[in-house]
Amino acid sequence: DTAVSQTPKYLVTQMGNDKSIKCEQNLGHDTMYWYKQDSKKFLKIMFSYNNKELIINETVPNRFSPKSPDKAHLNLHINSLELGDSAVYFCASSQEVLNTQYFGPGTRLTVL
Amino acid sequence: QKEVEQNSGPLSVPEGAIASLNCTYSDRGSQSFFWYRQYSGKSPELIMSIYSNGDKEDGRFTAQLNKASQYVSLLIRDSQPSDSATYLCAVFEGGGSYIPTFGRGTSLIVHP
Repeated sequence: DTAVSQTPKYLVTQMGNDKSIKCEQNLGHDTMYWYKQDSKKFLKIMFSYNNKELIINETVPNRFSPKSPDKAHLNLHINSLELGDSAVYFCASSQEVLNTQYFGPGTRLTVL
Repeated sequence: QKEVEQNSGPLSVPEGAIASLNCTYSDRGSQSFFWYRQYSGKSPELIMSIYSNGDKEDGRFTAQLNKASQYVSLLIRDSQPSDSATYLCAVFEGGGSYIPTFGRGTSLIVHP
């Protein structure tokens, strides 16, 4: 009965590879987010979708591409991975914009 | 993107004391304010939300918002060792941008 789930929990890969992280929420929320938390624990918004429409697209390399097939899912695809992409990526959802966000468990990405 | 500032700490308080955490923000039009707690290796979880000036109490926690001075604070009464964590202040920008900005967090240590 997990509210916001992410897969995989850990991802170790080589530079230059392409990888995807999946997120699903069963809360019936309209808005979903992707965050990156770096080694200094700074949590920074990357993208947000509201009702499958992209509403936030922060300064993120275009190697990162979000996709929302439906309101319950928001996936993140990363092309040509770089060392600096190593971080914990959190998915979150909220009933609507400006509301409380509920976070998934995170995906720890390590690029070697 | 606007700024949200927090003292990184660590803030060390004895068990049973009041812990006071502060946060200032730069966007005068900000609308929604949140305090999240993050244990090491875990995802952020909501402690309090506050939307209007004044105090909001929930159990041992009190959030205070002063929009004129652009600060929001969190008081934790009767601090417990289990309160030891990083506390993140989050602010939603105004002006229809819906961008959530997190502070870098304050590390709280409650010692027995």
